Amino acid sequence: GQQVMQIPQYQHVQEGEDFTTYCNSSTTLSNIQWYKQRPGGHPVFLIQLVKSGEVKKQKRLTFQFGEAKKNSSLHITATQTTDVGTYFCAASGGATNKLIFGTGTLLAVQP
Amino acid sequence: EAGVAQSPRYKIIEKRQSVAFWCNPISGHATLYWYQQILGQGPKLLIQFQNNGVVDDSQLPKDRFSAERLKGVDSTLKIQPAKLEDSAVYLCATSVRVANEQYFGPGTRLTVT
Repeated sequence: GQQVMQIPQYQHVQEGEDFTTYCNSSTTLSNIQWYKQRPGGHPVFLIQLVKSGEVKKQKRLTFQFGEAKKNSSLHITATQTTDVGTYFCAASGGATNKLIFGTGTLLAVQP
Repeated sequence: EAGVAQSPRYKIIEKRQSVAFWCNPISGHATLYWYQQILGQGPKLLIQFQNNGVVDDSQLPKDRFSAERLKGVDSTLKIQPAKLEDSAVYLCATSVRVANEQYFGPGTRLTVT
């Protein structure tokens, strides 16, 4: 079945450093969604990518969908303590468009 | 706009007991999902409804888990009997339609002892 892997599992950065998490699928995807989950909270939708090679920006966050639609990345420029949490990619494809969540990347930011 | 409501927020039961969770979606959202999230992992889809019909329940352990969505609005997820490995957060999410962004409720944290 479809699997979605994320790397790294965990990243610890100093405030102000950049951060990137990568999402990889074994199959071609119809779209990718990114969610952020604060400690003790629930996933919150960030963005959806649907086109090959698509790049979207939200303030300090940059999201990219690979040309082959099998991978995606989330880059945060100049991290802040408010960026702390787990970032999940969620990919869909196939007949039911079921969303498969990745393994997540836990970001810790040291002030 | 009110968000997705879930109750209870916390539940502690002994193994072999039964438990039920309730979800009230955002008004107008046709698609409803139940996820199981074990600590340190991503949400795992248990069942997906489109209005009151089941779209996908391939990962629902049907020998002990059941779910329904009456009249295409509220939904309940039941576990009977519970096992220790069912300890997790159960998240309900809804979307306007399939493949759209999902809005998650606060979840129910289940502890099975």
